[in-house]
Amino acid sequence: SQTIHQWPATLVQPVGSPLSLECTVEGTSNPNLYWYRQAAGRGLQLLFYSVGIGQISSEVPQNLSASRPQDRQFILSSKKLLLSDSGFYLCAWSGQIDTGELFFGEGSRLTVL
Amino acid sequence: SQKIEQNSEALNIQEGKTATLTCNYTNYSPAYLQWYRQDPGRGPVFLLLIRENEKEKRKERLKVTFDTTLKQSLFHITASQPADSATYLCALLSSGGYNKLIFGAGTRLAVHP
Repeated sequence: SQTIHQWPATLVQPVGSPLSLECTVEGTSNPNLYWYRQAAGRGLQLLFYSVGIGQISSEVPQNLSASRPQDRQFILSSKKLLLSDSGFYLCAWSGQIDTGELFFGEGSRLTVL
Repeated sequence: SQKIEQNSEALNIQEGKTATLTCNYTNYSPAYLQWYRQDPGRGPVFLLLIRENEKEKRKERLKVTFDTTLKQSLFHITASQPADSATYLCALLSSGGYNKLIFGAGTRLAVHP
């Protein structure tokens, strides 16, 4: 069966520090991969999606970046965090192009101080 | 611009009653609509998908309707239980392809014994 792992689960970072969140999917190949952010009391905001290795599409201009170095690995990064980067980050994958059903990881809670 | 609206106020109901949540959208012609459940601090979990040519979809105690004329979906939980307490998100396939789902902010449901 397919599983998705996301880490770290929680982190507290100072403003201006770098960020690296990692997501891996098991049990499927060539998935579509997504990074969403959820601010407190807000909906999920799509940040990046990827349909293949090295193929990244950005939805929102920001100081974040994403990379997909392997088929089932998706990384969210920042060189210098801002206070506004605080939030709940969710990685997701989809395997069925027709329905687009998303399978989410457990999320990473980022607090920037 | 494309917009999805869900009632931001929490819905409080008594156990055993039917909960009805609403999702309205504008500037969309989605091929399908999805509903997810999200528990606090967790990633959303897929519940149901309904296509534009389907009026109603059922799964156990869940029922979803989709009215493309009104641009509205209703999500019903019959015989509600305290374990149904969670935030429920609706999601639509965004124009531009690649399985990009756009989510509403969600409605929190609280079922009281």
